[in-house]
Amino acid sequence: EVQLVETGGGLIQPGGSLRLSCAASGFTVSSNYMSWVRQAPGKGLEWVSVIYSGGSTYYADSVKGRFTISRDNSKNTLYLQMNSLRAEDTAVYYCARDATLGGWGWFDPWGQGTLVTVSS
Amino acid sequence: SYVLTQPPSVSVAPGKTARITCGGNNIGSKSVHWYQQKPGQAPVLVIYYDSDRPSGIPERFSGSNSGNTATLTISRVEAGDEADYYCQVWDSSSDHPVVFGGGTKLTVL
Repeated sequence: EVQLVETGGGLIQPGGSLRLSCAASGFTVSSNYMSWVRQAPGKGLEWVSVIYSGGSTYYADSVKGRFTISRDNSKNTLYLQMNSLRAEDTAVYYCARDATLGGWGWFDPWGQGTLVTVSS
Repeated sequence: SYVLTQPPSVSVAPGKTARITCGGNNIGSKSVHWYQQKPGQAPVLVIYYDSDRPSGIPERFSGSNSGNTATLTISRVEAGDEADYYCQVWDSSSDHPVVFGGGTKLTVL
């Protein structure tokens, strides 16, 4: 079964750092485009970052320069390193797999989400 | 960057047909994917490649895409269809390649 499990969320003070993990099973993370998507309380889905199978990475303007997406092929895990966190980064963070091997496809599955709260 | 526009809310009576639109410049030239999200849950794919339905999704869910508008249609709406719905495309020429619509809250009256 293809599955994604996120961990690493929590309460963090403004300016702090946090690393989210997304453990994959049933497929190889390096074979698919993998994204992070977040959802602030009561708001819609916001794309955060993507890593292509070839290794290229892209970021939303709101996180560029502060967040870094990466993967560990040996652990079959996707990461999101979040630095200089702000109150507006408070959200549930989901990892999601592009289900097509060539990219430009649909997201399936999604992880269950992990809540990041940035507050003093 | 590419923008997708959805109506914030759509209301429909049980048994009727709900249509949720997703507007974008020449969106008909892109592949549109639709997700359903119920409170406290992760999004779930309901339509991919404009009109294909994943296994397990009822035939009542269908999609179309032409010109500047893509549409998710839910026939014979049930109370369990009440949820937020999001459209999504890839803008492959952009540094911000993944685009979501703002979401539509479907209310079953």
